[in-house]
Amino acid sequence: DAGVIQSPRHEVTEMGQEVTLRCKPISGHNSLFWYRQTMMRGLELLIYFNNNVPIDDSGMPEDRFSAKMPNASFSTLKIQPSEPRDSAVYFCASSLVLLAGPTGELFFGEGSRLTVL
Amino acid sequence: AQSVAQPEDQVNVAEGNPLTVKCTYSVSGNPYLFWYVQYPNRGLQFLLQYITGDTLVKGSYGFEAEFNKSQTSFHLKKPSALVSDSALYFCAVRDGVNTGFQKLVFGTGTRLLVSP
Repeated sequence: DAGVIQSPRHEVTEMGQEVTLRCKPISGHNSLFWYRQTMMRGLELLIYFNNNVPIDDSGMPEDRFSAKMPNASFSTLKIQPSEPRDSAVYFCASSLVLLAGPTGELFFGEGSRLTVL
Repeated sequence: AQSVAQPEDQVNVAEGNPLTVKCTYSVSGNPYLFWYVQYPNRGLQFLLQYITGDTLVKGSYGFEAEFNKSQTSFHLKKPSALVSDSALYFCAVRDGVNTGFQKLVFGTGTRLLVSP
């Protein structure tokens, strides 16, 4: 398997523009997570999905952020409008979570580095 | 809420020497603890996880972690460090009581530098 695939790897945009980050999870995984990493705040969980349904979006900073998972093989994280403080590395991760089993590991993508000017 | 703390921003060790990266936890109920590693410009990679009952957990790349309930610690260890072990290490704990959902909360990370 190719692992978790994220695009774009790098994005530079101007304040006010819309940004869309994409993620393809590992085939067969039923949970998907979006994390944001910054020097100041470390790794923050933004939202996670189970079986394509958003379970917890309490980490989404504000209404400018939205995430969707229309099917098991694709998810997007959108920022509209973008602001300089959104500059960070955004990671997507997937996992196979079994209700009756132990907690499985997260598989992370390579990340999307966003710079908002 | 569950949390972990990594008290050291950076750990320096000479190649061949043993290394320890510290992590303490605060949980209610059974702890589900993990270690992940991040190499420059890469995503995080799973190293190991604590399974209830074990005190020494073995993981990838020769790493192991020692679970100590009385000290609420889960320190990452390796008997002999390699220069290639230089990376950012994260301790994590599963938050939430629902077995079916896995929400990991990460520590602030510890940068490990192994000198030749």
